[in-house]
Amino acid sequence: EIVLTQSPGTLSLSPGERATLSCRASQSVSSSYLAWYQHKPGQAPRLLIYGASSRATGIPDRFSGSGSGTDFTLTISRLEPEDFAVYHCHQYGSSPWTFGQGTKVEIK
Amino acid sequence: EVQLVESGGGLVQPGGSLRLSCAASGFMFSNYWMHWVRQAPGKGLVWVSRIDSEGSTTYADSVKGRFTISRDNAKNTLYLQMNSLRDEDTAVYYCARILAVGTPLGYWGQGTLVTVSS
Repeated sequence: EIVLTQSPGTLSLSPGERATLSCRASQSVSSSYLAWYQHKPGQAPRLLIYGASSRATGIPDRFSGSGSGTDFTLTISRLEPEDFAVYHCHQYGSSPWTFGQGTKVEIK
Repeated sequence: EVQLVESGGGLVQPGGSLRLSCAASGFMFSNYWMHWVRQAPGKGLVWVSRIDSEGSTTYADSVKGRFTISRDNAKNTLYLQMNSLRDEDTAVYYCARILAVGTPLGYWGQGTLVTVSS
């Protein structure tokens, strides 16, 4: 199974700052089938990015994804108050599908 | 609008059983593969099981032989029968659906909490 390791575990930033989240896979992710989710307590995970770099419907352009192979990045260009949450990466190219352990973006 | 609403969670003793349900609406339920994903307290998301539109099933190793996923297309409902529950099965359980072929899970329910404790 593909193990996804996210770093850092916690990112402490202020609104308006840039956030850079990393997701490293233990082996190459097939066809860049890598997604990112935003997850807030008590809510359903929200799909942000799929195919490593495609934004899901309705996702603001301050969210961008990049990478291929084993190294992927989610960038939030300017943090808005509603962006403080946990972010999960997810590979759906190989069975079993797997998720990273999450990066918490908190207000500094 | 796609809606997924889970129910059936609760407190159960180790070794016990529980059946989760997920009521789907807003799309042609019978056409889509459906999944269960869980999140233990303080941990990341973990894929649990999926069922395709023909009824074929796949499970994570951690639940194989104990959990059974099924669907009732006439009722637009997904199920997860959980037997021989362990402490480590304590989690919020989400049902989810992909956006389309070749895309990840794009629609999720709000989740239902399962607590396994004596």
